Amino acid sequence: DAGVTQSPTHLIKTRGQQVTLRCSPKSGHDTVSWYQQALGQGPQFIFQYYEEEERQRGNFPDRFSGHQFPNYSSELNVNALLLGDSALYLCASSLYAPGAETQYFGPGTRLLVL
Amino acid sequence: AQKVTQAQTEISVVEKEDVTLDCVYETRDTTYYLFWYKQPPSGELVFLIRRNSFDEQNEISGRYSWNFQKSTSSFNFTITASQVVDSAVYFCALSETNYGGSQGNLIFGKGTKLSVKP
Repeated sequence: DAGVTQSPTHLIKTRGQQVTLRCSPKSGHDTVSWYQQALGQGPQFIFQYYEEEERQRGNFPDRFSGHQFPNYSSELNVNALLLGDSALYLCASSLYAPGAETQYFGPGTRLLVL
Repeated sequence: AQKVTQAQTEISVVEKEDVTLDCVYETRDTTYYLFWYKQPPSGELVFLIRRNSFDEQNEISGRYSWNFQKSTSSFNFTITASQVVDSAVYFCALSETNYGGSQGNLIFGKGTKLSVKP
């Protein structure tokens, strides 16, 4: 039973560039959430995708956008990178339920913006 | 507003000691969910436990136990007879019920770094 996978594992970009991060959910899951974790902090919610639509969004600017594909995998895009975007980006998958189902996390993508 | 506070930034213990990690939460909802996750140096968040607001029974899983007290808005985590492999950052998280085609996102505390020395 494959868990949540993310690619790439590490990435180095320069300010102003654009980046795309990818996530494949755990088998059987249909909902993908993205989180940003700055060094020494807890993860912060970016957005959540279900049925190929953004369902919820945290307090992040429009430079952060995403997509979910019919196979439930997801991408996170960040435009016009800033130094402050350097962080660990975590993808979590779950099975949709109106309440709150357990989210299972991938290993993350470490993004460094120079 | 929802908030999770983990007041202990770092804890250091010697192997075989018991250790309790504190978590205090704030929410206006009557239905909510609480979680603990473990983050080893590799970075992946590992799910440990999920409790809903209607279930205040304490839970034990091997050396791990959790104490949920709604009266004090706390969900504390105890590791009995700690081991070096328990060294990690532990996060407490809160999720509220959402309707209208979405489910609750996780609100995390800042984490507690636990170091267990041999």
